[in-house]
Formats: sequence, C-alpha cells, structure tokens
Amino acid sequence: EVQVVESGGAVVQPGGSLRLSCATFGFSLDKFSIHWVRQAPGKGLEWVCVDSWAHGGTFYADSVKGRFTASRDNYRNSLYLQMNSLGSEDTALYYCVKEHVIGWPTLEYWGQGTLVTVSS
Amino acid sequence: SSELTQDPVVSVALGQTVRITCQGNSLRIYSASWYQQRPGQAPVLVMDAQNNRPSGVPDRFSGSKSGDTASLTITATQAEDEADYYCNSRDTSGSQVVFGGGTSLTVL
Repeated sequence: EVQVVESGGAVVQPGGSLRLSCATFGFSLDKFSIHWVRQAPGKGLEWVCVDSWAHGGTFYADSVKGRFTASRDNYRNSLYLQMNSLGSEDTALYYCVKEHVIGWPTLEYWGQGTLVTVSS
Repeated sequence: SSELTQDPVVSVALGQTVRITCQGNSLRIYSASWYQQRPGQAPVLVMDAQNNRPSGVPDRFSGSKSGDTASLTITATQAEDEADYYCNSRDTSGSQVVFGGGTSLTVL
C-alpha cells in the first residue's frame, strides 16, 4: 500500500529553522517526484516545492525560494524539507505528496500533514 | 508564476448538477487536476490532469477543459459531496505548480 508520512512539525520562533521529514512506503521513491504542499489555518492549499525525479532537480514557490531546501534519500525512502528564516507566514500544515504516474501537477497520495507554527 | 481563479462559494440542490470552474492563463498550455477536501482531512484527488477519475471516485464526477478554463462537474450531487474543491496545474513556465483558491461547495 502506498503511504507517505510526514513528521517534524513543531513550534519555532520567528527567524528559526526546522527540518520536516517524509517517510514513504509501497513504491520506488527513485521513480517519482514528491511535492510539499502547505495549508495555513483556515486557508487554501499552497504549493511549496517539488523534488523532481524526472527533471533531476528541485523547484520552489517564489514565497520560499532561498529559504527552503528539499532533499531526498532514496535508500531510506525518505525526503526532507529544510526550512530556514521562518516567519509567521510559514505557519501551516505541511503535506508531503506523491505525484501520480502521469506526472505533476497531478498529486495522488497525500499524507496527513505535520503542523508548523512560527510564534514567539 | 500564474494564478488560477475559482469561485469561492458554490451551492447546489441535492440531486442536481453543479459545475466548479478554474480559470487561468496556464490552462491554455497545461491541464488541471482536482482535489476534494473535507473538514479536518487531507485533500483527495478526484480528477487527474487527463480527466480520469482515480479508483473509488464515483462516476458522477467528470472533468473538462475549454480554452483557459477547466471544469469539474458533479451530476446528481450527493450530500457527501459537500466539501472544498481545489484545482491545480503548472504555471506558464512549467516549473512551478499553482493551486486555485478553492471552492466551498454547499449541498442544499
């Protein structure tokens, strides 16, 4: 069964850093792109970035470019999102999402999310 | 990046047909996918970018696109279809993903 499970969410002070993890199960991670999508409380979905297998790189939303870095460890079937210089606008539930076999932007398997709260 | 525009609120009578739209320049190049999100739950894919329904999604859901507008149509709408619906696509550069602002569907 395909699953993605996020972890690492926490309360962090403004300007601080945090690393989120995404454990994957039931598929070959080296064959798929994985996206991070976030949702601020009471707001809509916002795409954060993609770690793209097909394109061999990572792409970021303008709102996080230069502050967030996505990486993966295919041997551990895991991905990571390093978040630096966090601000209140980064407070959100962060989802790790596996792309559909037809490729992005179709996002097929969503985790339950991990909550990041930026507050002093 | 590009923007995708959705009507914030749409209502439909039980058993009737409703169309939820998503408009944006990038849709002239790329197709849209659609997601359903119920309160307190993670989003669920209901229509892929080739307008195919994932396994388990009822056949009353269908997708289409014309010009710069993609649509998700629900026929014979059921009470359990009440949820937020989001479209997404690539932006015009092809290197980012954009989401619409979401449509809150109320079933009367």
